[in-house]
Amino acid sequence: QKEVEQNSGPLSVPEGAIASLNCTYSDRGSQSFFWYRQYSGKSPELIMSIYSNGDKEDGRFTAQLNKASQYVSLLIRDSQPSDSATYLCAGRLTGGGNKLTFGTGTQLKVEL
Amino acid sequence: NAGVTQTPKFQVLKTGQSMTLQCAQDMNHNSMYWYRQDPGMGLRLIYYSASEGTTDKGEVPNGYNVSRLNKREFSLRLESAAPSQTSVYFCASSEVDTGSEAFFGQGTRLTVV
Repeated sequence: QKEVEQNSGPLSVPEGAIASLNCTYSDRGSQSFFWYRQYSGKSPELIMSIYSNGDKEDGRFTAQLNKASQYVSLLIRDSQPSDSATYLCAGRLTGGGNKLTFGTGTQLKVEL
Repeated sequence: NAGVTQTPKFQVLKTGQSMTLQCAQDMNHNSMYWYRQDPGMGLRLIYYSASEGTTDKGEVPNGYNVSRLNKREFSLRLESAAPSQTSVYFCASSEVDTGSEAFFGQGTRLTVV
């Protein structure tokens, strides 16, 4: 079992819809989680971080963390074609010396 | 504002050749990382350095060595390149506390023929 797991997709949503991306993790004691966006041929860039149970909103993006169920999600409202990218979930896992561990990424396609 | 700088950006090696990928950061971060990215595999950690003078193996360390030369620089060496090491390599840095995000270099696309 991978420490951080994501569905690889592709996830296709129409323009203007809500895109929902999910991630689960195995280390119950993990403290912090990050969502990165990666365009094809580019390096990952941070879009959201979350440390506490509940929701965190930033513009069209909302990150959700549920430590009891060990999942993290990212909602993208009013999806735009420019949101088409691979979204990587990452966690700082307490069992891994605080190193940053990534999931395999979910490819999102926003269709006109 | 350079951030994390990797060299080279592209490289083609023949099987058995050696090379060193260079990484430098100017953000005064303590932790540095080397990842490889293959299609459908996400970012897999090769080695990381929590602080100057320390290095630890990640998920896929075989065939690689690293050197944390100083606080700024963290190099990755392939002693005898194999086709299985064809990949995109990313260097990253962060502060050591749990809430810190990682900042990435622009990547090195390596092909081993």
